[in-house]
Amino acid sequence: EAQVTQNPRYLITVTGKKLTVTCSQNMNHEYMSWYRQDPGLGLRQIYYSMNVEVTDKGDVPEGYKVSRKEKRNFPLILESPSPNQTSLYFCASSTSRIRSHGYTFGSGTRLTVV
Amino acid sequence: ILNVEQSPQSLHVQEGDSTNFTCSFPSSNFYALHWYRWETAKSPEALFVMTLNGDEKKKGRISATLNTKEGYSYLYIKGSQPEDSATYLCASRISNFGNEKLTFGTGTRLTIIP
Repeated sequence: EAQVTQNPRYLITVTGKKLTVTCSQNMNHEYMSWYRQDPGLGLRQIYYSMNVEVTDKGDVPEGYKVSRKEKRNFPLILESPSPNQTSLYFCASSTSRIRSHGYTFGSGTRLTVV
Repeated sequence: ILNVEQSPQSLHVQEGDSTNFTCSFPSSNFYALHWYRWETAKSPEALFVMTLNGDEKKKGRISATLNTKEGYSYLYIKGSQPEDSATYLCASRISNFGNEKLTFGTGTRLTIIP
């Protein structure tokens, strides 16, 4: 089944403790992206990647890092999480070769930083 | 930051009635307009991706139109059913010098009243 897999689904952590949210897709998509969803705000892009070893900042990159060493994986790293990073996170992927192709989203990660 | 706006923010519709809502977006560097359906506790799922001015797409009772010159898209639902209750997100995809960006609106939350 074609899908984007995110882990974990839920995570409670303490301020300053480094964490990684994993994202993997099995559709050979070039494009991958991370979004966060907060009440009253739309999905806001954190980072995106056009292909292996190519990443770029989105609208709200502060406090996050990403890497794209393999095509299928695009982990989101919070080196020193803070309470304002409490949010619902989504990973998404798409093929950039087809203009009319929609994004496939992972099931989301609800992160709480205390 | 590209500004994508959706209206109304929320909507209650009687079962069986038809409804529509709006997405407006800046038309410069336009590449594609996406509509997603997002049910509570699930991840957004692509409904339509439209790329050309005047595009119309239809899936069952749901349809969408696109005007890239004036920067708006409408989503229509005919004969609403309880299972249509969800948040409907639109997103504008721009493409500029090989980079691309998908910017989301804040969504229209639709509740169908049985």
